[in-house]
Amino acid sequence: NAGVTQTPKFQVLKTGQSMTLQCAQDMNHEYMSWYRQDPGMGLRLIHYSVGAGITDQGEVPNGYNVSRSTTEDFPLRLLSAAPSQTSVYFCASKTLAGKRTDTQYFGPGTRLTVL
Amino acid sequence: AQTVTQSQPEMSVQEAETVTLSCTYDTSESDYYLFWYKQPPSRQMILVIRQEAYKQQNATENRFSVNFQKAAKSFSLKISDSQLGDAAMYFCAYRSASASGTYKYIFGTGTRLKVLA
Repeated sequence: NAGVTQTPKFQVLKTGQSMTLQCAQDMNHEYMSWYRQDPGMGLRLIHYSVGAGITDQGEVPNGYNVSRSTTEDFPLRLLSAAPSQTSVYFCASKTLAGKRTDTQYFGPGTRLTVL
Repeated sequence: AQTVTQSQPEMSVQEAETVTLSCTYDTSESDYYLFWYKQPPSRQMILVIRQEAYKQQNATENRFSVNFQKAAKSFSLKISDSQLGDAAMYFCAYRSASASGTYKYIFGTGTRLKVLA
Protein backbone atom coordinates (compact mmCIF):
# COMPACT_ATOMS: atom_id res chain seq x y z
CA ASN A 1 0.00 0.00 0.00
CA ALA A 2 1.93 3.02 -1.28
CA GLY A 3 -0.66 5.68 -0.35
CA VAL A 4 -0.34 8.81 -2.47
CA THR A 5 2.62 9.06 -4.78
CA GLN A 6 3.81 12.05 -6.76
CA THR A 7 6.33 12.35 -9.52
CA PRO A 8 8.67 14.02 -10.07
CA LYS A 9 10.00 15.22 -6.72
CA PHE A 10 11.84 18.13 -8.28
CA GLN A 11 11.46 19.87 -11.61
CA VAL A 12 12.96 22.92 -13.24
CA LEU A 13 11.18 24.44 -16.23
CA LYS A 14 11.76 27.40 -18.48
CA THR A 15 9.02 29.94 -18.98
CA GLY A 16 6.57 28.73 -21.59
CA GLN A 17 7.35 25.06 -21.24
CA SER A 18 4.63 22.58 -20.45
CA MET A 19 4.68 19.62 -18.14
CA THR A 20 2.50 17.26 -16.17
CA LEU A 21 2.78 16.53 -12.49
CA GLN A 22 1.68 13.00 -11.76
CA CYS A 23 -0.35 11.87 -8.79
CA ALA A 24 -1.58 8.39 -8.02
CA GLN A 25 -3.28 6.74 -5.07
CA ASP A 26 -3.95 3.10 -4.38
CA MET A 27 -6.61 3.48 -1.69
CA ASN A 28 -9.60 3.64 -4.04
CA HIS A 29 -10.37 7.17 -2.86
CA GLU A 30 -13.05 9.06 -4.70
CA TYR A 31 -11.68 12.50 -3.84
CA MET A 32 -8.36 13.81 -5.09
CA SER A 33 -7.01 17.33 -5.08
CA TRP A 34 -4.03 19.50 -5.91
CA TYR A 35 -2.64 22.24 -3.68
CA ARG A 36 0.22 24.63 -4.05
CA GLN A 37 2.26 25.84 -1.11
CA ASP A 38 4.09 29.15 -1.24
CA PRO A 39 6.19 30.84 1.46
CA GLY A 40 4.07 32.96 3.78
CA MET A 41 0.87 31.52 2.41
CA GLY A 42 -1.21 28.56 3.35
CA LEU A 43 -1.91 25.66 1.09
CA ARG A 44 -4.17 26.81 -1.70
CA LEU A 45 -6.50 24.49 -3.56
CA ILE A 46 -5.96 24.42 -7.32
CA HIS A 47 -8.37 21.75 -8.59
CA TYR A 48 -10.14 18.78 -7.18
CA SER A 49 -12.05 15.74 -8.33
CA VAL A 50 -14.76 13.67 -6.69
CA GLY A 51 -14.55 10.76 -9.09
CA ALA A 52 -13.51 9.65 -12.54
CA GLY A 53 -14.67 12.16 -15.11
CA ILE A 54 -15.57 14.80 -12.52
CA THR A 55 -13.32 17.75 -11.77
CA ASP A 56 -13.85 21.25 -10.43
CA GLN A 57 -11.87 24.39 -9.75
CA GLY A 58 -10.46 25.39 -6.42
CA GLU A 59 -9.15 28.73 -5.24
CA VAL A 60 -6.32 29.23 -7.76
CA PRO A 61 -7.09 27.26 -10.95
CA ASN A 62 -5.70 29.63 -13.58
CA GLY A 63 -2.80 28.20 -15.57
CA TYR A 64 -3.55 24.61 -14.59
CA ASN A 65 -5.59 21.82 -16.16
CA VAL A 66 -6.63 18.52 -14.68
CA SER A 67 -8.42 15.40 -15.78
CA ARG A 68 -9.51 12.25 -14.00
CA SER A 69 -9.82 9.30 -16.32
CA THR A 70 -9.33 6.69 -13.59
CA THR A 71 -9.94 6.55 -9.86
CA GLU A 72 -6.21 6.13 -9.21
CA ASP A 73 -4.69 8.97 -11.20
CA PHE A 74 -5.11 12.74 -11.11
CA PRO A 75 -2.46 14.54 -13.18
CA LEU A 76 -1.94 18.29 -13.05
CA ARG A 77 -0.92 19.98 -16.30
CA LEU A 78 0.88 23.24 -16.71
CA LEU A 79 0.32 24.27 -20.33
CA SER A 80 2.68 27.25 -20.42
CA ALA A 81 4.73 27.57 -17.26
CA ALA A 82 5.24 30.99 -15.69
CA PRO A 83 7.62 32.06 -12.88
CA SER A 84 4.54 32.69 -10.70
CA GLN A 85 3.95 28.95 -10.75
CA THR A 86 7.17 28.29 -8.88
CA SER A 87 5.92 26.48 -5.81
CA VAL A 88 5.66 23.19 -4.00
CA TYR A 89 2.73 21.14 -5.21
CA PHE A 90 0.88 18.61 -3.12
CA CYS A 91 -1.60 16.02 -4.20
CA ALA A 92 -4.08 14.70 -1.65
CA SER A 93 -6.81 12.12 -1.55
CA LYS A 94 -9.54 10.99 0.79
CA THR A 95 -12.55 8.76 0.78
CA LEU A 96 -16.01 10.26 0.52
CA ALA A 97 -17.65 7.18 1.95
CA GLY A 98 -18.70 7.18 5.56
CA LYS A 99 -19.87 10.11 7.56
CA ARG A 100 -17.82 13.28 7.61
CA THR A 101 -14.45 11.72 7.00
CA ASP A 102 -11.61 14.20 6.83
CA THR A 103 -8.47 12.19 6.93
CA GLN A 104 -6.63 13.45 3.90
CA TYR A 105 -3.64 11.57 2.62
CA PHE A 106 -1.03 13.84 1.14
CA GLY A 107 1.72 12.97 -1.25
CA PRO A 108 5.35 13.96 -0.57
CA GLY A 109 5.17 17.02 -2.81
CA THR A 110 6.80 18.23 -6.00
CA ARG A 111 9.10 21.24 -5.90
CA LEU A 112 8.72 23.12 -9.16
CA THR A 113 10.92 25.99 -10.24
CA VAL A 114 10.09 28.04 -13.34
CA LEU A 115 12.92 30.16 -14.65
CA ALA B 1 -15.52 33.94 2.13
CA GLN B 2 -13.93 32.00 4.92
CA THR B 3 -10.45 32.79 6.14
CA VAL B 4 -7.99 31.12 8.50
CA THR B 5 -5.31 33.12 10.28
CA GLN B 6 -2.26 31.88 12.13
CA SER B 7 -0.48 34.87 13.63
CA GLN B 8 2.55 33.01 14.97
CA PRO B 9 5.02 32.26 12.16
CA GLU B 10 7.34 30.48 14.58
CA MET B 11 7.22 29.09 18.11
CA SER B 12 9.76 27.36 20.32
CA VAL B 13 9.24 25.02 23.22
CA GLN B 14 11.55 23.15 25.54
CA GLU B 15 11.35 19.39 25.38
CA ALA B 16 8.75 18.01 27.83
CA GLU B 17 7.08 21.41 28.17
CA THR B 18 3.69 22.53 26.87
CA VAL B 19 3.10 24.85 23.94
CA THR B 20 -0.03 26.40 22.46
CA LEU B 21 -0.41 27.32 18.80
CA SER B 22 -3.05 29.89 17.90
CA CYS B 23 -5.55 29.94 15.08
CA THR B 24 -8.46 32.22 14.35
CA TYR B 25 -10.94 31.93 11.56
CA ASP B 26 -13.77 33.84 10.04
CA THR B 27 -16.97 32.36 8.70
CA SER B 28 -20.65 33.12 8.55
CA GLU B 29 -21.56 29.46 8.66
CA SER B 30 -22.74 27.69 11.77
CA ASP B 31 -21.68 24.17 10.90
CA TYR B 32 -18.12 23.45 9.89
CA TYR B 33 -14.99 21.53 10.78
CA LEU B 34 -11.60 22.67 11.98
CA PHE B 35 -8.35 20.78 11.77
CA TRP B 36 -4.71 20.87 12.72
CA TYR B 37 -2.27 19.29 10.31
CA LYS B 38 1.41 18.62 10.92
CA GLN B 39 3.96 18.92 8.15
CA PRO B 40 7.39 17.53 9.09
CA PRO B 41 10.49 18.12 6.94
CA SER B 42 9.43 15.18 4.80
CA ARG B 43 6.64 17.54 3.66
CA GLN B 44 3.82 15.05 3.94
CA MET B 45 0.79 16.42 5.77
CA ILE B 46 -0.48 14.51 8.77
CA LEU B 47 -3.88 15.07 10.33
CA VAL B 48 -3.31 15.76 14.02
CA ILE B 49 -6.78 16.55 15.29
CA ARG B 50 -10.27 17.43 14.10
CA GLN B 51 -13.01 19.48 15.74
CA GLU B 52 -16.64 19.50 14.71
CA ALA B 53 -18.21 22.90 15.26
CA TYR B 54 -21.47 21.51 16.57
CA LYS B 55 -19.64 19.69 19.36
CA GLN B 56 -18.95 21.77 22.46
CA GLN B 57 -16.42 19.31 23.81
CA ASN B 58 -12.83 20.03 22.84
CA ALA B 59 -11.16 17.30 20.80
CA THR B 60 -8.14 15.48 22.20
CA GLU B 61 -5.68 13.02 20.71
CA ASN B 62 -3.12 11.77 23.21
CA ARG B 63 -0.77 14.72 23.90
CA PHE B 64 -2.65 17.00 21.52
CA SER B 65 -5.76 18.91 22.51
CA VAL B 66 -7.63 21.93 21.23
CA ASN B 67 -9.32 24.90 22.82
CA PHE B 68 -12.30 25.61 20.58
CA GLN B 69 -14.04 28.90 21.25
CA LYS B 70 -16.84 29.10 18.69
CA ALA B 71 -18.11 32.55 19.61
CA ALA B 72 -14.61 33.99 19.47
CA LYS B 73 -13.80 31.96 16.34
CA SER B 74 -10.65 30.70 17.93
CA PHE B 75 -9.12 27.24 17.62
CA SER B 76 -5.81 26.74 19.40
CA LEU B 77 -3.72 23.58 19.60
CA LYS B 78 -2.03 22.55 22.83
CA ILE B 79 0.84 20.12 22.70
CA SER B 80 1.73 18.64 26.09
CA ASP B 81 5.00 16.94 27.00
CA SER B 82 6.60 18.19 23.78
CA GLN B 83 8.92 15.78 22.03
CA LEU B 84 11.67 16.35 19.49
CA GLY B 85 9.50 14.60 16.93
CA ASP B 86 6.85 17.29 17.29
CA ALA B 87 9.08 19.77 15.49
CA ALA B 88 7.30 20.61 12.27
CA MET B 89 5.12 23.14 10.51
CA TYR B 90 1.58 23.11 11.85
CA PHE B 91 -1.36 24.21 9.74
CA CYS B 92 -4.81 25.13 10.92
CA ALA B 93 -7.55 24.36 8.40
CA TYR B 94 -11.28 24.86 7.91
CA ARG B 95 -13.95 23.32 5.82
CA SER B 96 -17.63 23.92 5.57
CA ALA B 97 -20.08 21.21 6.57
CA SER B 98 -22.19 21.98 3.52
CA ALA B 99 -22.33 19.49 0.68
CA SER B 100 -19.97 21.54 -1.49
CA GLY B 101 -17.76 22.33 1.46
CA THR B 102 -16.81 18.69 1.73
CA TYR B 103 -14.39 19.27 -1.09
CA LYS B 104 -12.74 22.58 -0.23
CA TYR B 105 -10.33 23.07 2.63
CA ILE B 106 -8.94 26.45 3.63
CA PHE B 107 -5.54 26.46 5.25
CA GLY B 108 -3.75 29.02 7.38
CA THR B 109 -0.20 30.13 6.70
CA GLY B 110 1.31 27.77 9.22
CA THR B 111 3.34 27.96 12.44
CA ARG B 112 6.81 26.47 12.55
CA LEU B 113 7.37 24.73 15.87
CA LYS B 114 10.89 24.20 17.14
CA VAL B 115 11.49 21.82 20.02
CA LEU B 116 14.62 22.51 22.06
CA ALA B 117 16.47 19.66 23.73
